[in-house]
Amino acid sequence: QKEVEQDPGPLSVPEGAIVSLNCTYSNSAFQYFMWYRQYSRKGPELLMYTYSSGNKEDGRFTAQVDKSSKYISLFIRDSQPSDSATYLCAMTSRGTDKLIFGTGTRLQVFP
Amino acid sequence: DAGITQSPRYKITETGRQVTLMCHQTWSHSYMFWYRQDLGHGLRLIYYSAAADITDKGEVPDGYVVSRSKTENFPLTLESATRSQTSVYFCASSPQGSTEAFFGQGTRLTVV
Repeated sequence: QKEVEQDPGPLSVPEGAIVSLNCTYSNSAFQYFMWYRQYSRKGPELLMYTYSSGNKEDGRFTAQVDKSSKYISLFIRDSQPSDSATYLCAMTSRGTDKLIFGTGTRLQVFP
Repeated sequence: DAGITQSPRYKITETGRQVTLMCHQTWSHSYMFWYRQDLGHGLRLIYYSAAADITDKGEVPDGYVVSRSKTENFPLTLESATRSQTSVYFCASSPQGSTEAFFGQGTRLTVV
């Protein structure tokens, strides 16, 4: 079993929809949670960074962490065609320099 | 330009050849990382470095060698390339630890 599980999709939604992207994990030591966005043939770029449990909002993006369920989510409100990309969750624990990535979910937002 | 750059962007090499992928960052970040990205596996850590002259293995280090004589450079060498090393390779840097890593554009390597 992988430490981090993520549905690969693809997820196809109409413009304006609310998108929910999720990851589950097995290592209870994970405390730092990140979401990266990766456009086709580009490097991943950091989108959201959350420490421990709770919510974090940045514009149309909201990251949620539920440590009791070992479950993290990224919500995108009012989705745009420019949001079409692969979204990767990543996480790590205190005292380690290794970031563990999910396999990524491909999102397509159509006009 | 400031940032992190990888070279070459595309490379085709033959089985058994040695090939080096270059990574250069201008932020003076302490940490640098090499990942490979393959379908179905996502990003997997090959090697990382916490500072100049300090390197450590990641999840899939076999067949790869790294060095870090200067803070800004972190080359990755495939000593004897195999077809299983066909992949997209990403270099990343971070001011501290593995959080908030900044990635390069990637090198697409094909081993024939």
